[in-house]
Amino acid sequence: DGGITQSPKYLFRKEGQNVTLSCEQNLNHDAMYWYRQDPGQGLRLIYYSQIVNDFQKGDIAEGYSVSREKKESFPLTVTSAQKNPTAFYLCASSILSGTASTEAFFGQGTRLTVV
Amino acid sequence: AQSVTQLGSHVSVSEGALVLLRCNYSSSVPPYLFWYVQYPNQGLQLLLKYTSAATLVKGINGFEAEFKKSETSFHLTKPSAHMSDAAEYFCAVSERSSASKIIFGSGTRLSIRP
Repeated sequence: DGGITQSPKYLFRKEGQNVTLSCEQNLNHDAMYWYRQDPGQGLRLIYYSQIVNDFQKGDIAEGYSVSREKKESFPLTVTSAQKNPTAFYLCASSILSGTASTEAFFGQGTRLTVV
Repeated sequence: AQSVTQLGSHVSVSEGALVLLRCNYSSSVPPYLFWYVQYPNQGLQLLLKYTSAATLVKGINGFEAEFKKSETSFHLTKPSAHMSDAAEYFCAVSERSSASKIIFGSGTRLSIRP
């Protein structure tokens, strides 16, 4: 089945630890995204990438890092510098029409809880 | 820069009543526009999208939306609400410019009264 796989679904970490969230897609999409979702705030863009080995900061990139070494993979690291990391994290990918991102396909999300 | 505003964080309608969820966008170039639905603890599913073809777009589950350039709006409607429509709905915009990204509104939670 084609789609986007995020793992794990639930993740618990101690404060001060870095943690990496996995996102893999087999849709052959060029663009990939990471969003953070908090209650009442919708989806806020953390990082996005339109091509391998290139990515751009979104609106809330501080305390996060990403890599795009392969087209199908876009892991997100939540570092200890992120002041409030507990949230629901969503990964998405999309087809590019020229340079415009069209329909985004989403993974099932990872709920990160930092204690 | 593009942006999306969803009016009303919570909308409640009776079963069988009209559903209207409002979305206004800001974009300096013609946009792509989307509506997504999210059920608890799940990812987002595309309901419908506008890509500059017909201004009235029909989607899944009986939803439709109309692109109105003069009003910069893309409101989502459904003639008759079902209990299964209870969910969170997000409007999103993507600009047709270089290095475009998809920006989401803050969401509208739809509740259905029996």
